[in-house]
Amino acid sequence: EVQLLESGGGLVQPGGSLRLSCAASGFTFSSYAMSWVRQAPGKGLEWVSGINAGGGNTYYADSVKGRFTISRDNSKNTLSLQMNSLKIEDTAVYYCTKVFADHIWANVNYWGQGMLVTVSS
Amino acid sequence: DIVMTQSPDSLAVSLGERATINCKSSQSILYSSNNMNYLAWYQQKPGQPPKLLIHWASTRESGVPDRFSGSGSGTDFTLSISSLQDEDVAVYYCQQHYSVPLTFGGGTKVEIK
Repeated sequence: EVQLLESGGGLVQPGGSLRLSCAASGFTFSSYAMSWVRQAPGKGLEWVSGINAGGGNTYYADSVKGRFTISRDNSKNTLSLQMNSLKIEDTAVYYCTKVFADHIWANVNYWGQGMLVTVSS
Repeated sequence: DIVMTQSPDSLAVSLGERATINCKSSQSILYSSNNMNYLAWYQQKPGQPPKLLIHWASTRESGVPDRFSGSGSGTDFTLSISSLQDEDVAVYYCQQHYSVPLTFGGGTKVEIK
């Protein structure tokens, strides 16, 4: 059974940093691309960032480019999202997601339960 | 960026009746080399993460009831629920995975009339 368990969320002040982690199990982690998708309170879904299976290619939404960094450790089956210079508009539930292929140009087929990040003073 | 526009924003349908949701992309998401439409549909129930229903525009995910179907090609797509059930009350999203940034439609809320 595929499991994606996010951790690291919480309350942070504007301009602060936070690191989200996602522990993956139930599949061969190193064979699949992964991504982060977020959902602001009461709003729709927004793709944030993606990384290919090998970790050599990363992609970002314009809204987070230069502030967020996605990475993965295939030896530990872990996906991470380093979030710097956080803004109030980054407040959202962040979902760790598994992509259907080794590249990001495929649909998501599994979602974690989500982790709330609140940016507020 | 490819803009995904869903319609309607919400709809109320009687139990057992058909629900139809539309999704339009601002440019074609049909990849000519493999003739595949890079479009997926997701269902999100309150308090839960989204769940994949349909991929490649019309391929039902394993375990998804056959009352759900996807159709369309190029820029115009449709998700249909042939006979609405109580458990189908949710918000439905389309997403293109043709180009970065991968983008979602705004969502369609389906309720029981």
